[in-house]
Amino acid sequence: NAGVTQTPKFRILKIGQSMTLQCTQDMNHNYMYWYRQDPGMGLKLIYYSVGAGITDKGEVPNGYNVSRSTTEDFPLRLELAAPSQTSVYFCASSYSTGDGYTFGSGTRLTVV
Amino acid sequence: AQSVTQLGSHVSVSEGALVLLRCNYSSSVPPYLFWYVQYPNQGLQLLLKYTTGATLVKGINGFEAEFKKSETSFHLTKPSAHMSDAAEYFCAVRVFGNEKLTFGTGTRLTIIP
Repeated sequence: NAGVTQTPKFRILKIGQSMTLQCTQDMNHNYMYWYRQDPGMGLKLIYYSVGAGITDKGEVPNGYNVSRSTTEDFPLRLELAAPSQTSVYFCASSYSTGDGYTFGSGTRLTVV
Repeated sequence: AQSVTQLGSHVSVSEGALVLLRCNYSSSVPPYLFWYVQYPNQGLQLLLKYTTGATLVKGINGFEAEFKKSETSFHLTKPSAHMSDAAEYFCAVRVFGNEKLTFGTGTRLTIIP
């Protein structure tokens, strides 16, 4: 029972490089989310999806893109990495709007 | 709109003492309320949740929380703190039909030996 799986766990990027953070869930959850967590700042929502083919912006979408071609996968794309994107990124999912989230273990990204 | 306020970004208690972490919510409709715990370098784990029914909710690791509508509160308690409780705790609110949870800014709990 894997839950929400995020890869990679750690990554160092140079300024201007691009990368994709992978997120997959095996619980058949409709709703998926990407958050970033910075020290003392709590969780900020980047993007979310209510089902395959549907995505929407959260609080801090600039510099990121997402896609949701299947129920299971919700990758987050960083284009032209900047130092301000140094953060810990969490993917989460939920079955319905009455449920809490199940979180992945996170990806720690450093942009230098 | 929904929101939560966690009072106290840092709380320290002695081992064996009562743990009390405060959370107040704002919601125009009946809320669903959650407490999550985050241990260092890990993701967030659900401690407990209130949806409907009994207002005193028991969770994992001996934690419990009581939903008080009149006070718009959902405080987290544990009778006797253990060293392993040191972590960051997040309160969150959601209403049915809203796609997103709204999180508080977190409370870091330190246990003093």
